[in-house]
Amino acid sequence: EDQVTQSPEALRLQEGESSSLNCSYTVSGLRGLFWYRQDPGKGPEFLFTLYSAGEEKEKERLKATLTKKESFLHITAPKPEDSATYLCAVRGYGQNFVFGPGTRLSVLP
Amino acid sequence: KAGVTQTPRYLIKTRGQQVTLSCSPISGHRSVSWYQQTPGQGLQFLFEYFSETQRNKGNFPGRFSGRQFSNSRSEMNVSTLELGDSALYLCASMGQDRAGELFFGEGSRLTVL
Repeated sequence: EDQVTQSPEALRLQEGESSSLNCSYTVSGLRGLFWYRQDPGKGPEFLFTLYSAGEEKEKERLKATLTKKESFLHITAPKPEDSATYLCAVRGYGQNFVFGPGTRLSVLP
Repeated sequence: KAGVTQTPRYLIKTRGQQVTLSCSPISGHRSVSWYQQTPGQGLQFLFEYFSETQRNKGNFPGRFSGRQFSNSRSEMNVSTLELGDSALYLCASMGQDRAGELFFGEGSRLTVL
């Protein structure tokens, strides 16, 4: 059965304090690993797709990396507007997407 | 390019009633998925429709049903509402990328009293 776990559950950072979020997964054949950002009361916003181990993608202060067992979302010099819940999901060849519980990030000014 | 549109955004129902939620996917997207999101369970997959056919189904009771129309718009219905059905219901349309990334709407917040 495909599974996704995320750590930490919650993270508080000072503005400018870089850190990383972890997503560990097990999947029978990876079609893609996805990162989303979700603000309270809103739908998840797509950030990245990673397809294979060793791949990296960047967007502004965010950088996602992928290994065969986990993915990291690195946040460099975060700002208060980066505060949100970050969700990781995988899609295997069984078609369905499996989402992790998310990491709730708070960036304090 | 318009995003995924869900209506209504908020609704309040009482136990035993039924509810219908609507979703219009991104133009050109033929796959629509529905998810239930609660604080305790996170995002749970309900079902996926592609070209008016249900392609996948999650582990939810038969009270939860859906359909898709020829224009790719989709509806989901929950009958005989229970308190535990209170949740944010999210619709997503699937992109054309090889892994099929999901693009979500803003959701319909259902409260069952």
